[in-house]
Amino acid sequence: DAGITQSPRHKVTETGTPVTLRCHQTENHRYMYWYRQDPGHGLRLIHYSYGVKDTDKGEVSDGYSVSRSKTEDFLLTLESATSSQTSVYFCAISESPSGGAYEQYFGPGTRLTVT
Amino acid sequence: GENVGLHLPTLSVQEGDNSIINCAYSNSASDYFIWYKQESGKGPQFIIDIRSNMDKRQGQRVTVLLNKTVKHLSLQIAATQPGDSAVYFCAEISGGYNKLIFGAGTRLAVHP
Repeated sequence: DAGITQSPRHKVTETGTPVTLRCHQTENHRYMYWYRQDPGHGLRLIHYSYGVKDTDKGEVSDGYSVSRSKTEDFLLTLESATSSQTSVYFCAISESPSGGAYEQYFGPGTRLTVT
Repeated sequence: GENVGLHLPTLSVQEGDNSIINCAYSNSASDYFIWYKQESGKGPQFIIDIRSNMDKRQGQRVTVLLNKTVKHLSLQIAATQPGDSAVYFCAEISGGYNKLIFGAGTRLAVHP
């Protein structure tokens, strides 16, 4: 998985509790992304980061926040988890386009269940 | 993940046959496209990419065709093997920062 780890790999939590998912990379790639994957929707972008402390919203950002204090770590936080946030969450990394590479490499995923 | 395959279109092929997986993309201004393979319980894995200034690109046993006129991509897998069984996604670059828009996916089932 291209030097990308996600933790935890599985989590069950209750509605209303805060949850933080971690993505860690060893590739020193500048861009990092969080996606969620649900049946019938493919992968949808939640938030992304284009550098340390530089983040922006994706297509489905409501209810999520992110932080990136170091190049290697990108955190996704659900401030107050809801059942609609039950999903599989994937982190991805990418080099900057100036390097000529556009493809994203994905981590193994985190399965989150909100009861 | 295990639930990815629900409600996905499925292509069933015999081992050794060629497979063709199709994808329609949304943005006529997109200039870069990627095919990913996702096995059950794993993250998507890069297979092959193509830029909009190309019509065809070949890799090992895979070929991607791009028809910009009708905004259509296809992935051809030669001599399909059981290990090719997975869900396949096309994706297009949208906007800056290498952001990708993914298609819904197609499940490929290879039968011995």
